[in-house]
Amino acid sequence: DTEVTQTPKHLVMGMTNKKSLKCEQHMGHRAMYWYKQKAKKPPELMFVYSYEKLSINESVPSRFSPECPNSSLLNLHLHALQPEDSALYLCASSQMGGSLGDEQFFGPGTRLTVL
Amino acid sequence: GQNIDQPTEMTATEGAIVQINCTYQTSGFNGLFWYQQHAGEAPTFLSYNVLDGLEEKGRFSSFLSRSKGYSYLLLKELQMKDSASYLCAVSGTGGSYIPTFGRGTSLIVHP
Repeated sequence: DTEVTQTPKHLVMGMTNKKSLKCEQHMGHRAMYWYKQKAKKPPELMFVYSYEKLSINESVPSRFSPECPNSSLLNLHLHALQPEDSALYLCASSQMGGSLGDEQFFGPGTRLTVL
Repeated sequence: GQNIDQPTEMTATEGAIVQINCTYQTSGFNGLFWYQQHAGEAPTFLSYNVLDGLEEKGRFSSFLSRSKGYSYLLLKELQMKDSASYLCAVSGTGGSYIPTFGRGTSLIVHP
C-alpha cells in the first residue's frame, strides 16, 4: 500500500462550525505533514509530526489544531475558521522526516470552503 | 533567506521536448525535488538530485548544478497528459530537511 488517503474530499463549513480533516497512511512512514494550498500557489507547510510528536508548527493560527493519534493517522481540527482559510489541504508522509532525499507522498487533499 | 524561482507558465507541442528551469538561493542545501501536480490533485514525486549532474528516468530527466544554484526538468516526447504544474522544491533551507516549494510552472501541452 503506497497511498495516503484523506477524508473528506470536499468540505463546506460555516465560520462557527467545528470540523476535522483526516489523513491515513500504512507505509510505515514516521513523518506526517499538513500543507495548505491556494489556487495557482505552491503548498505551504503548516505542521510536521515526527514519530507522533509535533516537531514543526509554522506559526499557524490556533483555529487549526493538529493531532496525531498514532503513527498511521493525522487529523486537523478546524474551529472558527475565516473565509480566507478556504483552500486545498494536503496531507503528506515520508519515511523519516529528517533524512537526505526523504521523498514525500501526498494525499489527494480536502477542498475546504468556509462560508 | 530563501528564494526559489521558476517560470510561471510554459507551452509546448505534443511530441516535443521542454525544459523547465529552477534557480534557487537558499541558506542551506540538502537536495532538490521535482513534483508534478495535475489541477485539483496531489503533487506526485518525479525526481531528486543532491549531486551535480543529470538523473534520467524514462521520458523525464533532472539536472542539478549546486555551484550555480540551478536545476532543470527535461520532458521528452511530450504527451497531452503532461499538462500540469511542475514544482521545484529545495531541501535544507534554514537547516531543515523539509523541502520548500517554488511557485510551480504551469505547462500546457497542445496538439
